[in-house]
Amino acid sequence: QSVLTQPPSASGTPGQRVTISCSGGTSNIGSNYVYWYQQLPGTAPKLLIYRNNQRPSGVPDRFSGSKSGTSASLAISGLRSEDEADYYCAAWDDSLSGQVFGGGTKLTVL
Amino acid sequence: QLQLQESGPGLVKPSETLSLTCTVSGGSISSSSYYWGWIRQPPGKGLEWIGSIYYSGSTYYNPSLKSRVTLSVDTSKNQFSLKLTSVTAADTAVYYCARGGSGGNPHFDYWGQGTLVTVSS
Repeated sequence: QSVLTQPPSASGTPGQRVTISCSGGTSNIGSNYVYWYQQLPGTAPKLLIYRNNQRPSGVPDRFSGSKSGTSASLAISGLRSEDEADYYCAAWDDSLSGQVFGGGTKLTVL
Repeated sequence: QLQLQESGPGLVKPSETLSLTCTVSGGSISSSSYYWGWIRQPPGKGLEWIGSIYYSGSTYYNPSLKSRVTLSVDTSKNQFSLKLTSVTAADTAVYYCARGGSGGNPHFDYWGQGTLVTVSS
């Protein structure tokens, strides 16, 4: 049972906009930055979004992050087949004094 | 370009100690801005943060693993290491090392390719 809750799956067709939610609490998302990772099959995770809504260099602006209260979202616009991957949210948790990841969302491009 | 590479045994017996080393190249592990972390992923499951260490030796550990985990750093070799004691089958996972953000932020921007460690007799 992950501290951060994500839907196990999401899907969309090419060109569509999809969002993936990440729900937490006051000790994690509510008071700390949220990070998002993309993990393509058989590869290491890749940092996609940091500090709630910042994109590292090289990440397309099709990817965007937002946070409101104790929840965060990752939005992917102009969906492409290469976006098919697992997506994870993460945050520091003040109560646990540790980093926590969401359970991950498997995105399927139909 | 910063690169990280995990190394260590791929098979560990139950109750024994898992030991992995991460070698950093293309940059200094003594950089003042970064922590260095370990994250694992059981087969078919999600990511779990194990712990992070600063070049000075300051550490953060996952509370659920803290009693069994020790992180260390060797700045002369540009390496940091993980030891996990009393392993069970539940510790079977791909273990990743990564460069982390300041303090406790899960800002892992460079990752190793990962190494599968299987716990089995």
